[in-house]
Amino acid sequence: QVQLVQSGPEVKKPGASVKVSCKASGYRFATYGITWVRQAPGQGLEWMGGISGYNGNPNYAQKFQGRITMTVETSTSTAYMELRSLRSDDTAVYYCARATMLRYWGQGTLVTVSS
Amino acid sequence: DIVLTQSPLSLPVTPGEPASISCRSSQSLLHIDGHNYLDWYLLKPGQPPQLLIYLGSNRASGVPDRFTGSGSGTDFTLKISRVEAEDVGVYFCMQALQKVWTFGQGTKVEIK
Repeated sequence: QVQLVQSGPEVKKPGASVKVSCKASGYRFATYGITWVRQAPGQGLEWMGGISGYNGNPNYAQKFQGRITMTVETSTSTAYMELRSLRSDDTAVYYCARATMLRYWGQGTLVTVSS
Repeated sequence: DIVLTQSPLSLPVTPGEPASISCRSSQSLLHIDGHNYLDWYLLKPGQPPQLLIYLGSNRASGVPDRFTGSGSGTDFTLKISRVEAEDVGVYFCMQALQKVWTFGQGTKVEIK
């Protein structure tokens, strides 16, 4: 069965970086892309971007351009999302999901940004 | 970017009664392939989002048939024929037509 397993919770200071991983199993990784979505406390869902599982081409939301990097490691079927220059309003649960038609999701990774 | 506007933002419902959520897009979501690239998701506390409807009107596997998606172009609706207690949560529409995907603001469904 399809599974996406994300890395554990993170606590970071403002200005730091965080890298969240998303390990896929149960399907051919190169066939689908991975999308990243976050939910800040009390807020809605926010699409951050996506990356092709085939060639690693990323596509980022304008809001995060310049401080986000998405990568894939096909040998381990793992996708990564790195967010830099963290601010307090980056505190959120970060999800990966298999694209398109986001039927399969990771369990979420809580990233807390606090001094 | 495409803007999705949901209404209402809050929806108190009575179990057994129908409910309806609207999602309006700033641009048509109808692709030349004939599909509307609009999905619906349900978010419950402590859980990842659940796909309910994809491509405007297709119910995802395992989703109860009381959920129905309809619409085309810029106007879409999610209907619940008879609300059950387990349907509470926040419902989001999402468009995947363009390179940049966007979500609606969310509609909070709660039991009266």
